[in-house]
Amino acid sequence: AQTVTQSQPEMSVQEAETVTLSCTYDTSESDYYLFWYKQPPSRQMILVIRQEAYKQQNATENRFSVNFQKAAKSFSLKISDSQLGDAAMYFCAYNLVPANQFYFGTGTSLTVIP
Amino acid sequence: DTEVTQTPKHLVMGMTNKKSLKCEQHMGHRAMYWYKQKAKKPPELMFVYSYEKLSINESVPSRFSPECPNSSLLNLHLHALQPEDSALYLCASSQGDTGGQTYEQYFGPGTRLTVT
Repeated sequence: AQTVTQSQPEMSVQEAETVTLSCTYDTSESDYYLFWYKQPPSRQMILVIRQEAYKQQNATENRFSVNFQKAAKSFSLKISDSQLGDAAMYFCAYNLVPANQFYFGTGTSLTVIP
Repeated sequence: DTEVTQTPKHLVMGMTNKKSLKCEQHMGHRAMYWYKQKAKKPPELMFVYSYEKLSINESVPSRFSPECPNSSLLNLHLHALQPEDSALYLCASSQGDTGGQTYEQYFGPGTRLTVT
């Protein structure tokens, strides 16, 4: 079974501080892609960052970076210099190659405190 | 253009009504998806179309009927829904399976459906 676990239903961070959201997944496959999506309240779900499982280097997109530990099946998201606009529900997801089926975690609701 | 559009934004329908949701993308993506999302929950996959053919149906009740008229359009026909079907319905698209590569999904803004 393919599962994605986000163990932190809610997190909060002070503005300008750093926060890390955790994600673990379970798959017996070796080739897949990992993603973090952000869904602000009543707004569209958008892609934050992606990581190819075959790449050892951790992906980075501006203030967002991941810590990908393939052996541990862990894929955490670090948000640096948190901004009020980062407040959202964050979903971890992965997609097996070559399937077109995404598996989503249960989500982490992030609050940014001014 | 990385946009997926969905219409209508909001829909209220009675249990005996027939309505349709529409999704459109012009990114040349060959895979399109319907998801159902309840508040503060992850999206639940309903259907996947790959190259205009239904490839995944996650045991969705027959009161939901998908249709893919062409590679840019995806419809979801609704009939005899129940109040528990009230949710946000999301459409997404992705490049699809091309040479073993898969790509991220791009989501539309969703249709907020209320069944009365």
